[in-house]
Order: sequence, then C-alpha cells, then structure tokens
Amino acid sequence: GAVVSQHPSRVICKSGTSVKIECRSLDFQATTMFWYRQFPKQSLMLMATSNEGSKATYEQGVEKDKFLINHASLTLSTLTVTSAHPEDSSFYICSANYRGPGYEQYFGPGTRLTVT
Amino acid sequence: EDKVVQSPLSLVVHEGDTVTLNCSYEVTNFRSLLWYKQEKKAPTFLFMLTSSGIEKKSGRLSSILDKKELFSILNITATQTGDSAIYLCAVRGNYGQNFVFGPGTRLSVLP
Repeated sequence: GAVVSQHPSRVICKSGTSVKIECRSLDFQATTMFWYRQFPKQSLMLMATSNEGSKATYEQGVEKDKFLINHASLTLSTLTVTSAHPEDSSFYICSANYRGPGYEQYFGPGTRLTVT
Repeated sequence: EDKVVQSPLSLVVHEGDTVTLNCSYEVTNFRSLLWYKQEKKAPTFLFMLTSSGIEKKSGRLSSILDKKELFSILNITATQTGDSAIYLCAVRGNYGQNFVFGPGTRLSVLP
C-alpha cells in the first residue's frame, strides 16, 4: 500500500526560530504533494501544492516567504516555517497522490507544531 | 468557487445504531469524491467514488455517489465505539488539482 511519512511528529520551538517538516512517500513516487494545516476542531485547509522540480503553488492568504516548500525529489517534500510565531502553532499534514492525478491521496501522520 | 457541505456536523449515537452521513458539493468539472476517517492524527482513506449509483462497501461501511443530485452518503451499520471519529468528505474538480474538503462530521458512538 501507499505509505507517507512525516518527520518530526511533534516539535516545540521558540518564537522567532525556523522549523523544517519533512514529508516522504516511502514506497511510491509522488510528483505532487500537498501541505495542509488543521486547527483544532476544524477541517483541513490546503496551504500549498508542492511540485517536484518546480515552485510550489500557494493558496490565497498563505505567505510564501513564511512557509517555504521544497520538493527536492520524487519522494521528498519539505515545509519550513520561518520565524515562527505562536499563531503558527497547528497540526501540519502532508499528502501525496498515489498513482498520479485522479487517484486517491494518502496522508502522512501529521506534525504538531507548538511555538512558545 | 468549489464547495463541500457535510451534514450533520455532529452526531451522537449508541453502539449498534446505523448512521448516514451526508456530503453535498458544488465543483467545476467533477472528477472524484473521497471519504476519510480522522481520529487523533491524519485522515485515513475510506472510499473513492467516481461513478453514480455504484455502491462501495468495506465491512460495515458503505458509500454511494449521486452525480446528478451532487451528493454522496456514507453509511455505517452496527456502529461500534471505534467508529467514533471525524468523517471528512473531499471532492476533486479539475484534473490534477487538489481536493476540497468539507467541514467533517464528528461522530460519537456511546457504549
């Protein structure tokens, strides 16, 4: 089956520092990965679409310079939260299309970020 | 603008009950609709529906899509406490684009 991993699963950082979250497709290649953010008791909100070898496509209202996305290979995308603030504390989830567009997405386990 | 609406938003039942969760959508160039179950962490995939009238079934869960009326239902029979979760519906519009998620239905199954 399609497996997506995320690392770390939980991170606490101080305000003003940067945090990198990795998303890997373990047993398939993903030309496209997606990054979501989820606040407590709310649904998933798409932040950006990560495309291997090209720039990410950000959703309206998401700051490109704050949430840096790098899709370095067909199995790895990274999200870096730069100069983190307490309001960036959230649950960040990545997903990848298994078998390409039109097929189901498989989600990573998520990363809980707490900024103090 | 693509939109997904789920109802009810919250539901409390007792073990053994049967529940029906609803998902209606408005999307340009519909491609597929997916159901996910989310417990404490990231969502897990349940079903993907692309054709009307064809029921997908997995154990006590089943789902069907009506592309004419633009909705889908997820049925859970003989509910168990382990079914307690948020059930998310998502639709994909234009080919290759991301899914749009509904707000989810929070199901609580009491012993």
